Amino acid sequence: DTAVSQTPKYLVTQMGNDKSIKCEQNLGHDTMYWYKQDSKKFLKIMFSYNNKELIINETVPNRFSPKSPDKAHLNLHINSLELGDSAVYFCASREGTGRRTDTQYFGPGTRLTVL
Amino acid sequence: KNEVEQSPQNLTAQEGEFITINCSYSVGISALHWLQQHPGGGIVSLFMLSSGKKKHGRLIATINIQEKHSSLHITASHPRDSAVYICAVPTGNQFYFGTGTSLTVIP
Repeated sequence: DTAVSQTPKYLVTQMGNDKSIKCEQNLGHDTMYWYKQDSKKFLKIMFSYNNKELIINETVPNRFSPKSPDKAHLNLHINSLELGDSAVYFCASREGTGRRTDTQYFGPGTRLTVL
Repeated sequence: KNEVEQSPQNLTAQEGEFITINCSYSVGISALHWLQQHPGGGIVSLFMLSSGKKKHGRLIATINIQEKHSSLHITASHPRDSAVYICAVPTGNQFYFGTGTSLTVIP
């Protein structure tokens, strides 16, 4: 009964491939996020998404695209993977849509290694 | 310069010591989050606070909105407190994170 789950936990792939990371939350939350944590442990927000709007961090390459089949899922698709994409990717969710002060719940992370 | 600065970056303490981690931010916010990342990588939200002080067990978080500063205190530290502690502030459409403070508590 994990609140926020991600699959896979580990992903190893070669440059140029296209891959997806799945995220599901069973909390009934309205807003979901994708974060990237680089080798220096620095967390950066990539996307936030709710029923009404997708907000993209302008520094994120357009090779990255979030896809939300329903409110409980926000998957991350990455095209043409590059070495620099190697990182840990965290999914998170929070209850509201307008109040960014709600607590976020994080998934366990997906460690992506691009060879 | 990062919008959120934490200090110290690394901290080693003896079991039982009182620990303080500081966070300063330069953006206008309505609340601040303290997160804990365990050695295994999982991230847990410890506190979300917009004013004053919050306490949860041996953890205490304070914030001064006027001074744009928050502190996380750990009383009677224990080796299981060893983790990376991250300060995060939501503002506008962004969520800014500090670089984290790596805490090691030695038995």
